[in-house]
Amino acid sequence: AQRVTQPEKLLSVFKGAPVELKCNYSYSGSPELFWYVQYSRQRLQLLLRHISRESIKGFTADLNKGETSFHLKKPFAQEEDSAMYYCALERGSSNTGKLIFGQGTTLQVKP
Amino acid sequence: GAGVSQTPSNKVTEKGKYVELRCDPISGHTALYWYRQSLGQGPEFLIYFQGTGAADDSGLPNDRFFAVRPEGSVSTLKIQRTERGDSAVYLCASSSGSSGRKQFFGPGTRLTVL
Repeated sequence: AQRVTQPEKLLSVFKGAPVELKCNYSYSGSPELFWYVQYSRQRLQLLLRHISRESIKGFTADLNKGETSFHLKKPFAQEEDSAMYYCALERGSSNTGKLIFGQGTTLQVKP
Repeated sequence: GAGVSQTPSNKVTEKGKYVELRCDPISGHTALYWYRQSLGQGPEFLIYFQGTGAADDSGLPNDRFFAVRPEGSVSTLKIQRTERGDSAVYLCASSSGSSGRKQFFGPGTRLTVL
């Protein structure tokens, strides 16, 4: 079965420090991977997806099929990055767009 | 333009009662999804509509849960004989396509079953 694991419930860093939010997945095919973010009192929104190979708000994520990982990284954290981050997987063979989410990691950036 | 809207924002009901949760997707979005998010967990897929039809309802936990989208726009999630374990935030999302597309989420409906 497909599964997404985010091993850290909480990640606390100081402003300006590097950030890495871990995401591992279990899926034998070719997945589509996403990072969604939820800021305080806002709705869940897409941050980035691996097929776009983009950098959004300074965040990047590389799909590593060998390690089945899709870690989210940012070299210098900002206080406004504090939020809940969810990694999500869509089966590559899927034609539904159905997402499987991890449990989420709360990122706390301290001043 | 307006995003995905959900009503009510909060619903408190008693065990055994029937509830309906409504989702208004972004205009023109053909794909609509329902997810359920329990405390401390990520969203969990319930059902996917493409147009008026439920293309994938594999996430519905049992036959007490049912959803419709009769005109291919607004959707209603219906829960019969509610149980305390149904308490969660119910999220709706829509997208312009299906596979690989960005999903736009609503604010959710927080359901509490006493």
